[in-house]
Amino acid sequence: DIQMTQSTSSLSASVGDRVTITCRASQSINIWLNWYQQKPGKAPELLIYAASSLQSGVPSRFSGSGSGTEFTLTISNLQPEDFATYYCQQSYNIPRTFGHGTRVEIK
Amino acid sequence: QVQLVQSGSELKKPGASVKVSCKASGYSFTSYAINWVRQAPGQGFEWMGWINTNTGNPTYAQGFTGRFVFSLDTSVNTAYLQVSSLKAEDTAVYFCAKEVVAAGGKNLQLWGQGTLVTVSS
Repeated sequence: DIQMTQSTSSLSASVGDRVTITCRASQSINIWLNWYQQKPGKAPELLIYAASSLQSGVPSRFSGSGSGTEFTLTISNLQPEDFATYYCQQSYNIPRTFGHGTRVEIK
Repeated sequence: QVQLVQSGSELKKPGASVKVSCKASGYSFTSYAINWVRQAPGQGFEWMGWINTNTGNPTYAQGFTGRFVFSLDTSVNTAYLQVSSLKAEDTAVYFCAKEVVAAGGKNLQLWGQGTLVTVSS
């Protein structure tokens, strides 16, 4: 199975900050990497697919980059509604695997 | 409105069975696979597998074989997850999700709201 590692489990940031979250795959997954946002008690929502494609309806302050084994999710101009947990997920092969999440907290 | 609506929370005793439903609306149900994902309390996500909504063929992840069964009723656009011989460690929120192909890859575009299954004596 492909292991997905989000080395930062939580980070503190302020409204207006630029935040970068990283995700590393245990082997190359090309660009088959998705990012989800989850708020407490809610279902995840798709933010970014295929490493850098913005899901319809997601604000443009969210962006993704990377390929191979290293990926980043960037939130520019952090907004109050962005305080949540972010998960990466590989869709290169089965079983699909997720990172353990990065919680973005208010500083 | 495109949505997946899951059945409500369940409280079960160890050894019992539970059946979770996931009703799709607003799109062609048989055109997109349904994935099942588990989230234990305070934990991340475990991908359980998926079911081809066109053929009904299920694929189970390792660790989710034997006691877990995915099924469909296409007449009511609904997918089901049945878990038998429940154990305390099955306590989790179970999500269904619609899988789409975009930009050449697959993603879980739409999720149900989740169903909390609590296993306790």
